[in-house]
Amino acid sequence: NAGVTQTPKFQVLKTGQSMTLQCAQDMNHNSMYWYRQDPGMGLRLIYYSASEGTTDKGEVPNGYNVSRLNKREFSLRLESAAPSQTSVYFCASAGDLKETQYFGPGTRLLVL
Amino acid sequence: SQKIEQNSEALNIQEGKTATLTCNYTNYSPAYLQWYRQDPGRGPVFLLLIRENEKEKRKERLKVTFDTTLKQSLFHITASQPADSATYLCALDSGGSNYKLTFGKGTLLTVNP
Repeated sequence: NAGVTQTPKFQVLKTGQSMTLQCAQDMNHNSMYWYRQDPGMGLRLIYYSASEGTTDKGEVPNGYNVSRLNKREFSLRLESAAPSQTSVYFCASAGDLKETQYFGPGTRLLVL
Repeated sequence: SQKIEQNSEALNIQEGKTATLTCNYTNYSPAYLQWYRQDPGRGPVFLLLIRENEKEKRKERLKVTFDTTLKQSLFHITASQPADSATYLCALDSGGSNYKLTFGKGTLLTVNP
């Protein structure tokens, strides 16, 4: 049982490049989330998916898109990376009790 | 607007003492409140959940209180150990039909031997 996995662990991009952050969970959870964590700002919700086929904006969605590919996978795409998107990105999932969230190990993204 | 505040950015205590962390919120009526632990370079890990109708919850050396009148939760670690050093985050459910959490910025706890 791997829980929540994220790839890549670390990425360096140049301004304007695009990339997709991958997330997968093996706990059969319906809900999945993408957060970013910045010093002094805490965890902020980017997008979430309450179930397969649905996605909704969180607190800071600008500059990002998401895809809930199936029940297991939820990807986050940066179409044109900006230095302001330098951050640590966490994926999380939650089961039907909708209480505890389970987090992945994070992706550290540096945009130059 | 909704706001969650963890009053201390950092807290240093001596091994064996009780650490007390505070989480205050405004403009929320949460059904429950959660506490997570985050170690450097890792994702948050769930510790405890307390519901609005519960005053106190315990798990081993951890104790959480929830005062919906004061809009405050206190998180206690008794007999603290250097291994308890980490950042602790409180989180509230944002309400509504979709399950979302809003997190505080965290308190960095350092337990000195």
